[in-house]
Amino acid sequence: GESVGLHLPTLSVQEGDNSIINCAYSNSASDYFIWYKQESGKGPQFIIDIRSNMDKRQGQRVTVLLNKTVKHLSLQIAATQPGDSAVYFCAESFTGTASKLTFGTGTRLQVTL
Amino acid sequence: NAGVTQTPKFRILKIGQSMTLQCAQDMNHNYMYWYRQDPGMGLKLIYYSVGAGITDKGEVPNGYNVSRSTTEDFPLRLELAAPSQTSVYFCASSLRGPAEAFFGQGTRLTVV
Repeated sequence: GESVGLHLPTLSVQEGDNSIINCAYSNSASDYFIWYKQESGKGPQFIIDIRSNMDKRQGQRVTVLLNKTVKHLSLQIAATQPGDSAVYFCAESFTGTASKLTFGTGTRLQVTL
Repeated sequence: NAGVTQTPKFRILKIGQSMTLQCAQDMNHNYMYWYRQDPGMGLKLIYYSVGAGITDKGEVPNGYNVSRSTTEDFPLRLELAAPSQTSVYFCASSLRGPAEAFFGQGTRLTVV
């Protein structure tokens, strides 16, 4: 079946640098995407979302970019901090099943000092 | 404001035993969800509810049952535990849909 996937399982970034976490999705009908952060032993925490009628959305220190042509989603974290160390998941859904999210397998972000 | 509360936090079951994972939210959210997360994997939706009295299957519902008699509570029932149900279970709630869902701390279940 169609699924959401990630290119890199682990990303190591130096403190203060920018991080880019990538996600590929295969369901062309998906029109809503979310990025979650999951710290060890905790539940996922919403970071930012984007709808398919947008290419870019910015939050506090985070930016999500959506490229519908190549079905690619990315999360950019500016000035990465040690507290950003976690596993990041992208998730997708489409209007027909608005209550159902399909999650990717996750990328672990390690921030080095 | 407690948010989403899951109990228990940890549980070990023997094959064939039954148990109920409890989930309660105090935010008056209409939507509630149950996910399972296997090691190194993303979350998979088991069941969800869009309001009291309404439940629907997610991606992996086999071996589970749910009920939603009140807005606050959304228990998940395992009738005949199997080793394949060893996982971490997350309950979540949201006001209108999966956007900005609040997750509980999770229940780590081991079936031996």
